[in-house]
Amino acid sequence: GDSVTQMEGPVTLSEEAFLTINCTYTATGYPSLFWYVQYPGEGLQLLLKATKADDKGSNKGFEATYRKETTSFHLEKGSVQVSDSAVYFCALSDRGGATNKLIFGTGTLLAVQP
Amino acid sequence: SAVISQKPSRDICQRGTSLTIQCQVDSQVTMMFWYRQQPGQSLTLIATANQGSEATYESGFVIDKFPISRPNLTFSTLTVSNLSPEDSSIYLCSVEDRGTPYGYTFGSGTRLTVV
Repeated sequence: GDSVTQMEGPVTLSEEAFLTINCTYTATGYPSLFWYVQYPGEGLQLLLKATKADDKGSNKGFEATYRKETTSFHLEKGSVQVSDSAVYFCALSDRGGATNKLIFGTGTLLAVQP
Repeated sequence: SAVISQKPSRDICQRGTSLTIQCQVDSQVTMMFWYRQQPGQSLTLIATANQGSEATYESGFVIDKFPISRPNLTFSTLTVSNLSPEDSSIYLCSVEDRGTPYGYTFGSGTRLTVV
């Protein structure tokens, strides 16, 4: 079945460092891809999304490009801040199924130090 | 985008009891999803709830343990029955949000601790 694999954390960076969190997927159809963020003590928030190959999602300085040839959707940010410390989840939407349910990766904890 | 009110935000329950979690959406939605997030883990879909029909459960989840109601297009409940410490998790409801195309909105979650 469809699945998402993302790099294990925690990822610890200094402020202003470059961030990459790797995400690859397996899907039989043409899924939509998402990054969600969970700040400490809060619920899940949509960070960005892409619905087709070569689409780039972007928000709050974060970017991710839907790469069909490598089945990847890596999250990047050029300069992280302490406030970016959170758990990041890569997910895909099972659009080939009867319901558009989300399938999540295991999450990557990002800790940014001042 | 849709706004979801989820209650309670947290609870501590005794073994063998049940907890019912409510999700209220400020707009009509066809499908609502219930997820479980065990400590330090990712989100796992429990079931999908359509209004007027039985919920569809994922592998490993059964109706007797996780009964769901969906009486109308803006409301759903998830009950976690016969609680054991292994049920200690965060439970979240979600809707496919037409206000944000291909996006999904989540409730703030219910943190359940079973003692």
